[in-house]
Order: sequence, then structure tokens, then C-alpha cells
Amino acid sequence: NAGVTQTPKFQVLKTGQSMTLQCAQDMNHNSMYWYRQDPGMGLRLIYYSASEGTTDKGEVPNGYNVSRLNKREFSLRLESAAPSQTSVYFCALRTGPTYGYTFGSGTRLTVV
Amino acid sequence: QQQVKQSPQSLIVQKGGIPIINCAYENTAFDYFPWYQQFPGKGPALLIAIRPDVSEKKEGRFTISFNKSAKQFSLHIMDSQPGDSATYFCAASIQGGSEKLVFGKGTKLTVNP
Repeated sequence: NAGVTQTPKFQVLKTGQSMTLQCAQDMNHNSMYWYRQDPGMGLRLIYYSASEGTTDKGEVPNGYNVSRLNKREFSLRLESAAPSQTSVYFCALRTGPTYGYTFGSGTRLTVV
Repeated sequence: QQQVKQSPQSLIVQKGGIPIINCAYENTAFDYFPWYQQFPGKGPALLIAIRPDVSEKKEGRFTISFNKSAKQFSLHIMDSQPGDSATYFCAASIQGGSEKLVFGKGTKLTVNP
């Protein structure tokens, strides 16, 4: 999805391992979001950032940390991965009240 | 507490049919109601959105109907095509501030040829 780049696209972790999911935008917007998508559960907000240097918890923040060191990048970190964190993770960018969110293409994470 | 309830979970229609997906919300402060379309392996993409000051909005074959008093809104797809087969999410947010979107659980639509 143009404007929001997520890496990696796929990842398999062992329980207890850590990793950072990266999200970068080239659209110069302030608000960025991390969602997880699970079958039958829709999209649930993990963390969001209204601007550079600020972050706040969403609906399901436990087990995650985030970092917004600059306007362009918003990363999501799993310190000690658990099988319950197996999911598809989407980064999103709010592009304005009329245009809603622009989503990245997602990271499919499996924790074994 | 689920703030946006979406139904049905799945829907199968024939080409040319009019699938209808319904959503209900609880928070009367919500003032922005978008619908997203997601194809397999892709991120959701904004399809159409409505604000509570109008009762209906059309964009091509897609129509949102909004009932403020009932706190419900729905998506209609006219003359549905196999290419419309996707998962559809309704959502709601409060404009201003962080503008966090709250999503329904999604409806998987299949349009048979």
C-alpha cells in the first residue's frame, strides 16, 4: 500500500524471542497506529502515536512496546513473544478526516 | 466491550445480488463511520465513509445508509460482482484528538459468478 511500508512481511519466532516490526511512511502525516488482526476478531488497536515522540495504549497493549523517534517511523516491539501473539500486524497512517486511514500490507507473525 | 457490532460474519450472494452488511454502535460521540475493504494478503483500504449529518451516501455501486436514532449503519453493494469478494469492515471514530478507529469484526463476502 503506497505511503506505508512494513517490514518484514513474514516472521516465525520461537516463544520467548524478541523482535521489532518496522513501519515507515513517506506521506508526512502525524498520527500512526498499530493494529493486530485475528480471525473473527476484526482489527484491534495495540498502540498509537498522535505525533513524533508521543505514544499511547490502545485496546490490547499487553506484551508490546512501541517507539516513535521521528515523524516517519513507528516501530512495534515484542520483548518476549508468546503463541498468543501469532497474528497479522498492520501499521496504519491517518491521512485526514476525509481519507481515513492508509494501511500497510501487514506482517504475518507466527510464534511457535 | 465491543463498541461496533457487525453482522453477518459471512455472506454469499450471486452475481448481481445486493449484499447488505449491518453495523451497530454504542458510543453516541462517534461522528465518523468508514467502511474498509480487504482482499486476501492485503491491508484494508478505505471504501466509503459517512458522517451522522446525512442519512445516505453513494459512491458508485456502494451505498452507506445511516440511522442516527437507532445507532446503526449499513453497507449495500449494488449489482455485486465476483471482484467484490473480500472482507468488509465497518468502523467508527470521534473526529479530533487521536481519532482512533474502532472496527467491527468483519464480514467475509463471496460473490458467486
